[in-house]
Amino acid sequence: ETGVTQSPTHLIKTRGQQVTLRCSSQSGHNTVSWYQQALGQGPQFIFQYYREEENGRGNFPPRFSGLQFPNYSSELNVNALELDDSALYLCARSDGVGDTQYFGPGTRLTVL
Amino acid sequence: KQEVTQIPAALSVPEGENLVLNCSFTDSAIYNLQWFRQDPGKGLTSLLLIQSSQREQTSGRLNASLDKSSGRSTLYIAASQPGDSATYLCAPVLDSNYQLIWGAGTKLIIKP
Repeated sequence: ETGVTQSPTHLIKTRGQQVTLRCSSQSGHNTVSWYQQALGQGPQFIFQYYREEENGRGNFPPRFSGLQFPNYSSELNVNALELDDSALYLCARSDGVGDTQYFGPGTRLTVL
Repeated sequence: KQEVTQIPAALSVPEGENLVLNCSFTDSAIYNLQWFRQDPGKGLTSLLLIQSSQREQTSGRLNASLDKSSGRSTLYIAASQPGDSATYLCAPVLDSNYQLIWGAGTKLIIKP
């Protein structure tokens, strides 16, 4: 068990809608990262937050946004959903940037 | 741009065999390299983190090696068991921004 939880487990949305995914940890960690994983592929880095500030971003459009809260929980928001956004979304916590990452079980998003 | 290749893409071996999974990366400016396993539809579990200054790291039946200058890492699994069946992913961490760059993984099946 990594102590990282994500909600919801599964989600179905239609194209054009907005979605918020959540991530929390049993213990506080400075850094949280979000990844998108399409079926049969490795994860793709979306962004990372360090002490509530965005600390790096992958090649994702601005309609992907996030927040990290003082209690180290985090949200990933995706606006104007597209079919290609269907994927497993993973969050990971770590004590610091570049340290071992501990992943949650993921949220499976399906966009119809 | 860092590119990560994992060979083979899939591997099926009888229980009890020793095996080697390969990971190569194009940019040797890495902070560390991390190995993970992923069970179907689940999040990722950290297996080993090997620092850029290290040559090897061991945990139980797992041994990871790193040759940073040649851009290669291997994961050695001794005395394989059916419970080792999973997808194994390597992720070098960039020195410049501490982002993990992922391979597509090796899908491993251990036959009883």
